[in-house]
Amino acid sequence: KNQVEQSPQSLIILEGKNCTLQCNYTVSPFSNLRWYKQDTGRGPVSLTIMTFSENTKSNGRYTATLDADTKQSSLHITASQLSDSASYICVVSPSYNNNDMRFGAGTRLTVKP
Amino acid sequence: NAGVTQTPKFQVLKTGQSMTLQCAQDMNHEYMSWYRQDPGMGLRLIHYSVGAGITDQGEVPNGYNVSRSTTEDFPLRLLSAAPSQTSVYFCASSRGYSGNTIYFGEGSWLTVV
Repeated sequence: KNQVEQSPQSLIILEGKNCTLQCNYTVSPFSNLRWYKQDTGRGPVSLTIMTFSENTKSNGRYTATLDADTKQSSLHITASQLSDSASYICVVSPSYNNNDMRFGAGTRLTVKP
Repeated sequence: NAGVTQTPKFQVLKTGQSMTLQCAQDMNHEYMSWYRQDPGMGLRLIHYSVGAGITDQGEVPNGYNVSRSTTEDFPLRLLSAAPSQTSVYFCASSRGYSGNTIYFGEGSWLTVV
């Protein structure tokens, strides 16, 4: 069973609208949670990294939240742009070691004009 | 600054053939790793290295070899290609072993027929 579950699998929104992507995890213990953006045909690019002591982290129009008690994270995208069309991947680590990361399958976001 | 560079971008192999996926980074990062990405699944770690001369296995190492003779290069060798190795391969690097931003290459699409 995957320890990191993302929802929805895919999402279509209109340009300018906001959206929220969800990440639930069962990874334990917990060290840090990352969100990546992956454009079609490209490698993942880091958006945010949060440790257990942080409950929100922003990167421009992207805001990630973390509730370590309920083991949930969300990525909120404000005023979406066509360039936001991509897959968004949630990654959870039980330790600080970079070889110990659990990847979600991603949410595919399509922003339409 | 090129970041993480992978070659080739696309490759078709016949079952039983061998090949090497090349990965180079110009950021003087100690940590390098290889992942594979399959449809509907999260990225899975194949092998990783914490420095020149040091490599270790990840979650799915069977059928792959790596070496790290320099800080910059981390090639991935497929010993005898199988259709199950059809996937997208990503090389990644980070400064240090723990908790830092991980930078991914653009990916190598491999098809084994």
